[in-house]
Amino acid sequence: QKEVEQNSGPLSVPEGAIASLNCTYSDRGSQSFFWYRQYSGKSPELIMFIYSNGDKEDGRFTAQLNKASQYVSLLIRDSQPSDSATYLCAVHNYGQNFVFGPGTRLSVLP
Amino acid sequence: NAGVTQTPKFRILKIGQSMTLQCAQDMNHNYMYWYRQDPGMGLKLIYYSVGAGITDKGEVPNGYNVSRSTTEDFPLRLELAAPSQTSVYFCASSRRQGALFYNEQFFGPGTRLTVL
Repeated sequence: QKEVEQNSGPLSVPEGAIASLNCTYSDRGSQSFFWYRQYSGKSPELIMFIYSNGDKEDGRFTAQLNKASQYVSLLIRDSQPSDSATYLCAVHNYGQNFVFGPGTRLSVLP
Repeated sequence: NAGVTQTPKFRILKIGQSMTLQCAQDMNHNYMYWYRQDPGMGLKLIYYSVGAGITDKGEVPNGYNVSRSTTEDFPLRLELAAPSQTSVYFCASSRRQGALFYNEQFFGPGTRLTVL
């Protein structure tokens, strides 16, 4: 059973701080990794994807991937109250389906 | 483009009733998926399709059926509804790109189903 785990929440950070969201996965053959944001009562929307080891930055978001440690993270700099949502990590291996983690709920306090 | 659309948005069923959740996409995506999301949980794959006429089971297929007669549509059928099927159902689609990597999945707005 392929598994994706995320740090248990809820995670609370003050406005302007850095929020760090973590994800580990069991399938060593996984090749692509996605971070989705899901507001309450809404559908998931893609924030970032990463395929290669290292960092990938997009605005205030940075995804970090370490395949040797089977670990992917999402950093949100200068957190805003509008970032308050559940963040889902999804992992994909070629020829197989996406596996989603349970999500981490982030609350950014004004 | 409307993206991925789902109907209905909400539905209440009685135990033993049946219904079809509709999903359509206008992005010409080959891949389509049905997920369920229980409160506070991640997404569980019910069924998926890699193209018209091709479907396969995901992680939690029991109690559901699908068909894919066109690229655009991927309905999910619930037979003999049970309280355990109370959940939010999301349809998604993606376009395969390249030999190794899949594109992102685009999600519909979801259907909130309650079985009483």
